[in-house]
Amino acid sequence: AQSVSQHNHHVILSEAASLELGCNYSYGGTVNLFWYVQYPGQHLQLLLKYFSGDPLVKGIKGFEAEFIKSKFSFNLRKPSVQWSDTAEYFCAVNAINAGNMLTFGGGTRLMVKP
Amino acid sequence: GAGVSQSPSNKVTEKGKDVELRCDPISGHTALYWYRQSLGQGLEFLIYFQGNSAPDKSGLPSDRFSAERTGGSVSTLTIQRTQQEDSAVYLCASSLRDSLLGSYNEQFFGPGTRLTVL
Repeated sequence: AQSVSQHNHHVILSEAASLELGCNYSYGGTVNLFWYVQYPGQHLQLLLKYFSGDPLVKGIKGFEAEFIKSKFSFNLRKPSVQWSDTAEYFCAVNAINAGNMLTFGGGTRLMVKP
Repeated sequence: GAGVSQSPSNKVTEKGKDVELRCDPISGHTALYWYRQSLGQGLEFLIYFQGNSAPDKSGLPSDRFSAERTGGSVSTLTIQRTQQEDSAVYLCASSLRDSLLGSYNEQFFGPGTRLTVL
């Protein structure tokens, strides 16, 4: 069975700082990769996704992520965070040919100080 | 357009009682998923429905949990004889099948039902 690890459980940054959230998965086959965000009091929303093609994908609100197949990683980045980025971020994997469900990482709570 | 809706938004019940949680997926989405979000376990898959195929129940934690999807649209998750460890936010998601690839695209999540078992 696949698993997803997010290394940082809590991250605190000041506005304008750069962000990188780690995500590693364990599954030997083909995967679709996602980052979801949950703002305070809101439901899960898709930030970005990787299905195939260019391993560097760009999402909403200036976020991007890079799929490195050899490292089984899909790290999320943003060059300059804003206070409004305060939220919980979830990495998720869909293992192709192993069902359509998502396997989520434990989440990273990001707090951006104004 | 309308997103995934869930009801009720909050449910408080007593240990041992049965509860039903409802999900209305996005119109036209053929796949529907239930997940559970709890403090100790994070986000866990429970069950998913894919068109007219038999549901994948591999994530259900016990036989007290069941779900059905009527008419390929609305789904109900039922928890019988609730226990305190069932307290969590129950999330529903739906997705559309990719007509070219035959795979399913991103999942759109509802607001969840917060279940509290006293």
